[in-house]
Amino acid sequence: SQTIHQWPATLVQPVGSPLSLECTVEGTSNPNLYWYRQAAGRGLQLLFYSVGIGQISSEVPQNLSASRPQDRQFILSSKKLLLSDSGFYLCAWGDRQEAFFGQGTRLTVV
Amino acid sequence: AQSVAQPEDQVNVAEGNPLTVKCTYSVSGNPYLFWYVQYPNRGLQFLLKYITGDNLVKGSYGFEAEFNKSQTSFHLKKPSALVSDSALYFCAVRDILASKIIFGSGTRLSIRP
Repeated sequence: SQTIHQWPATLVQPVGSPLSLECTVEGTSNPNLYWYRQAAGRGLQLLFYSVGIGQISSEVPQNLSASRPQDRQFILSSKKLLLSDSGFYLCAWGDRQEAFFGQGTRLTVV
Repeated sequence: AQSVAQPEDQVNVAEGNPLTVKCTYSVSGNPYLFWYVQYPNRGLQFLLKYITGDNLVKGSYGFEAEFNKSQTSFHLKKPSALVSDSALYFCAVRDILASKIIFGSGTRLSIRP
């Protein structure tokens, strides 16, 4: 069966520091991969999605970037964090029908 | 462009009563529609989906949803609410020609004993 791993679960980082959140999927090949951000326990904003290695689509201009160095690995990064980057970040993988979510990373920028 | 609207920030229902959480969508082609539930500080759990076929879809925990193409709606329903149903519910849509999945803003469901 397919599983998705996202880490770390929580992270506190100072303003201006770099960020790297990692997500890996097991049990499937060539999945669509997604990064979402949830602010203040409400709506999910699609940040990036990828349909294959090295293929990244950005949904909103921002301080973040994403990379997909391997088929089942999706990384969310920032060179310099802003206070406004705080939130709950969710990775997901999808087949043609639905998306499956990781447990999320709560990022607090201080 | 794809979009999803959940017009209610919060829905309050007494335990044992029926509940409805509303969702409307917009896509350029035929939609794939989903409902997810989120408990505090957790990822999203899949409830149900509409891909094709019967407009009434049954899912986990006694939830169901009805696809209405003319009204572009996909409302979530349950005949008898439980206190344990209290959570944040998200509707989502995917255009079958696209890869991205777009979520609504979420509706907080509160079931009072």
